[in-house]
Amino acid sequence: DIQMTQSPASLSASVGDRVTITCQASQDISNYVNWYQQKPGKAPKLLIYDASNLETGVPSRFSGSGSGTDFTFTITSLQPEDIATYYCQQYDILYTFGQGTKLDIK
Amino acid sequence: EVQLVQSGAEVKKPGATVKISCKFSGYTFSDYYIHWLQQAPERGPEWMGHIDPQDHETKYAARFQGRLTITADTSSDTAYMELTSLRSEDTAVYYCAPTRLLVAPFDFWGQGTLVTVSS
Repeated sequence: DIQMTQSPASLSASVGDRVTITCQASQDISNYVNWYQQKPGKAPKLLIYDASNLETGVPSRFSGSGSGTDFTFTITSLQPEDIATYYCQQYDILYTFGQGTKLDIK
Repeated sequence: EVQLVQSGAEVKKPGATVKISCKFSGYTFSDYYIHWLQQAPERGPEWMGHIDPQDHETKYAARFQGRLTITADTSSDTAYMELTSLRSEDTAVYYCAPTRLLVAPFDFWGQGTLVTVSS
């Protein structure tokens, strides 16, 4: 099974800050990585697919990069509505999610 | 747009069976694979398995093999997830999610169904 190691587990930042989350795959998965946002009591929402493609309707302050085993998710200017838990997911071989990063406002 | 409506919350005793439904609408049901995911409290989602409603072919994650059955009824555009021999660790929210391709990002999700396993 492919493991996805996501860090940090939690993060506090101020409105307007740049926020970065990383995910490392246990083997080369090319660009088969997606990023999701999940708010309490809601289903996850797809933000970024294939490592760097912004899903339709998602604000441009969200971005992703990486390939192979190392991936990065960035929010360029944190907004109050971005408070949520973020997950990476690989789909090179079946599906595996990272453990999540809980983001809150400092 | 794809719309998914899942059945309501369930409370089960250890050893029991739960069956959750996922009603699909908006597009052609048989054009999509229907996946099921488990999300335990404070954990990331975990893929459980999927079904192709066109030929009813299924694939299950190793961890659920033997306890999980996914079915689809094309007459009602509804998918089902049945999990047997429930234990406390199965307390979770269960989601259905369709994809056009066999392996693809999950861009649509059901609203989730909470299953509580408790004696």
